Amino acid sequence: GAGVSQSPSNKVTEKGKDVELRCDPISGHTALYWYRQSLGQGLEFLIYFQGNSAPDKSGLPSDRFSAERTGGSVSTLTIQRTQQEDSAVYLCASSLDRATYEQYFGPGTRLTVT
Amino acid sequence: GDSVTQMEGPVTLSEEAFLTINCTYTATGYPSLFWYVQYPGEGLQLLLKATKADDKGSNKGFEATYRKETTSFHLEKGSVQVSDSAVYFCALRDTNAGKSTFGDGTTLTVKP
Repeated sequence: GAGVSQSPSNKVTEKGKDVELRCDPISGHTALYWYRQSLGQGLEFLIYFQGNSAPDKSGLPSDRFSAERTGGSVSTLTIQRTQQEDSAVYLCASSLDRATYEQYFGPGTRLTVT
Repeated sequence: GDSVTQMEGPVTLSEEAFLTINCTYTATGYPSLFWYVQYPGEGLQLLLKATKADDKGSNKGFEATYRKETTSFHLEKGSVQVSDSAVYFCALRDTNAGKSTFGDGTTLTVKP
């Protein structure tokens, strides 16, 4: 079946602009995660959604970052007033549920802030 | 908090050489451990996993054993191929948390 999809694949924006990144998880997966991968670095956890529970926002680096998940499926990560340090690859992953170990990753959105 | 420390790269090997990539972790609970691989131009894929102490995960000739006494999960392969060239990430997932904690990744280049 279809995997996790993300759009856009690349986004170039000017400093100070807002951006929205989209993630479509695998159908039926109740858990959804956002991570950030900066150049040469590992994955930094941002936020986690599980079903209808309140999301775990503990990894969001500042209040400029927010995310929502509509109808338990599609998720949007919004970055307001982008800064150059926000430049990174933003990865989305989904898993069947909280207890299931495998996370399936999307191809990522490469964000460049100029 | 949870953390994962990986062997620093890059690692360059000749084809058919033996590979070890070290990974150690700290965790407050009882984590599951994973190795993910990212091939050039592709997304992250799960390579193998182990969910409890002494479990051995294996896939595509790669192996890793969950060692609780040394808090380690080293990745090994007996004979690497050029097609194994990729970035390898060690990760843990605490059973009480949804998120995973990743190491910084180790870049492997295998030369013919």
